[in-house]
Amino acid sequence: DAKTTQPTSMDCAEGRAANLPCNHSTISGNEYVYWYRQIHSQGPQYIIHGLKNNETNEMASLIITEDRKSSTLILPHATLRDTAVYYCIASGSARQLTFGSGTQLTVLP
Amino acid sequence: EPEVTQTPSHQVTQMGQEVILRCVPISNHLYFYWYRQILGQKVEFLVSFYNNEISEKSEIFDDQFSVERPDGSNFTLKIRSTKLEDSAMYFCASSLDRGRSQPQHFGDGTRLSIL
Repeated sequence: DAKTTQPTSMDCAEGRAANLPCNHSTISGNEYVYWYRQIHSQGPQYIIHGLKNNETNEMASLIITEDRKSSTLILPHATLRDTAVYYCIASGSARQLTFGSGTQLTVLP
Repeated sequence: EPEVTQTPSHQVTQMGQEVILRCVPISNHLYFYWYRQILGQKVEFLVSFYNNEISEKSEIFDDQFSVERPDGSNFTLKIRSTKLEDSAMYFCASSLDRGRSQPQHFGDGTRLSIL
């Protein structure tokens, strides 16, 4: 799996968009970018994933640069319940996910 | 929405005892996984399981660990002789298939405390 780099922490005002960046400059052509989040000590929650194209679902949007070396997870209207650690994982296979330290997102009232 | 369920939520065991952690994966999923997270550390992969066989395992998954799908719904992780360092959150996950487009879905974990 390609290594990913994320900021350690970010703050976002409630109701505003949260934009979480991730660098994955060594990603290979067949690796997907997965985003998960973990609230307190709960299990990681799947958010979204993509290969080349931008993706959107009911939780978030994923923007992947054309060269695929970086991506941004967008939470369009952050709420206090979105406070969590967000993990960006580049994986060539869903067999094993390699979690890094992630980004601690704090949504401020 | 279907979810992965794990029992018990908290297990306290004496060192040296055997412990079995249980998981019910999402019903139509075919691939099953165990991860663990020691307090304050990263989530670590332990093992993946498909068609009644281990597909992949990490260095952590030594002879003290075993997995089993005893029936059509449960997936278990057994630790034969627990050590203090086995204290952690253990997460079960499942995915529809092994393909790269199928994400893994996680349960809320079992907190294992070894005394």
